[in-house]
Amino acid sequence: GENVEQHPSTLSVQEGDSAVIKCTYSDSASNYFPWYKQELGKGPQLIIDIRSNVGEKKDQRIAVTLNKTAKHFSLHITETQPEDSAVYFCAADTGRRALTFGSGTRLQVQP
Amino acid sequence: DAGVIQSPRHEVTEMGQEVTLRCKPISGHDYLFWYRQTMMRGLELLIYFNNNVPIDDSGMPEDRFSAKMPNASFSTLKIQPSEPRDSAVYFCASSLQAGPYNEQFFGPGTRLTVL
Repeated sequence: GENVEQHPSTLSVQEGDSAVIKCTYSDSASNYFPWYKQELGKGPQLIIDIRSNVGEKKDQRIAVTLNKTAKHFSLHITETQPEDSAVYFCAADTGRRALTFGSGTRLQVQP
Repeated sequence: DAGVIQSPRHEVTEMGQEVTLRCKPISGHDYLFWYRQTMMRGLELLIYFNNNVPIDDSGMPEDRFSAKMPNASFSTLKIQPSEPRDSAVYFCASSLQAGPYNEQFFGPGTRLTVL
């Protein structure tokens, strides 16, 4: 089955700096890669996703890149703000509708 | 829409007791997923349904766990008997079949503590 590795497990940045979280996946059939943000005491919320037919997608301060050859994808957050502090999860879907999640990255933005 | 609704939000029970977690998916969604989240194992998929039919229950840890979806607007996850190692946050999520991709929407979760 699919295996998703996520790094780093924790990330601390200064407000205004950029943050990058990286994931790799094992199943070359995977074609959908969402990113979720989980705040304390809440369920994961979808923040951005990318399909296998594009290499990059951007939404304001958030961008995601995908390298299908290398089987890795990354989340980039620019101009970080304290409210970006949360746990971020990457995931992959092989088309069977079941997501496989990474282990999560705890991002702390220091004011 | 109110989003995915889960109840109760918190459950504290004693070992050996039966626990029932409830979920109401987003109206019109035809996929429903149950996940368990722990520090050690992260987010694990337990089971998912399509049009009320279980599709993959390979993530269900033991026979003590069972899930049902009697209609399109309600699902339960039952643990009987419960054990301390079942303590976790259980999430329900739903998605819409139309379209090739799988945007899942999560509920707020049920925090289960088994003493």
